[in-house]
Amino acid sequence: SQWGEENLQALSIQEGEDVTMNCSYKTYTTVVQWYRQKSGKGPALIILIRSNEREKRSGRLRATLDTSSQSSSLSITGTLATDTAVYFCATDDSNNNRIFFGDGTQLVVKP
Amino acid sequence: GPKVLQIPSHQIIDMGQMVTLNCDPVSNHLYFYWYKQILGQQMEFLVNFYNGKVMEKSKLFKDQFSVERPDGSYFTLKIQPTALEDSAVYFCASSFTGGNYEQYFGPGTRLTVL
Repeated sequence: SQWGEENLQALSIQEGEDVTMNCSYKTYTTVVQWYRQKSGKGPALIILIRSNEREKRSGRLRATLDTSSQSSSLSITGTLATDTAVYFCATDDSNNNRIFFGDGTQLVVKP
Repeated sequence: GPKVLQIPSHQIIDMGQMVTLNCDPVSNHLYFYWYKQILGQQMEFLVNFYNGKVMEKSKLFKDQFSVERPDGSYFTLKIQPTALEDSAVYFCASSFTGGNYEQYFGPGTRLTVL
């Protein structure tokens, strides 16, 4: 399996708070992709960070990647109720044929 | 943005019947995927498809499963015969290039096998 520690968790926070979600992976990856899946919908890519990047920002989102510890984090600042979703990280394999999804984090942001 | 469509959104069938799930991928994409998600659980890879061929499949892609995309039409997942454990939401995805680029997902087809 591509995945080491299971990072499935459920987080419940108040609107306006900041949150950080983590994932770790076992083997080499060229990218870490973070997807958001809202209830009843398919996942959608929200940020992608490549193995030669340590940090990537997009609006209220910040992703980090530490290839030495094989871990990535996704931070959301000033959360909104509309950020409520399951967040998955995904890595690729050495053949770049597919991506592997982690278990995901269920984030609930209360208005 | 680019959209992937899936038809139908819901399907209820009796165990042992055949079902075909249809996916209309993003028009210029070359790689196609099917995933299975049981409620509240992880997105599980089933298969990927490129240039008319299955590139890789997981252990969840049983012998009863097949995929095709005849003449650039729908990318389909056929299950024949269905089993109770096939009940899940099936997501189709497509990407322009291989696995380390963004995949665009459809809204899913909820399959219920009775």
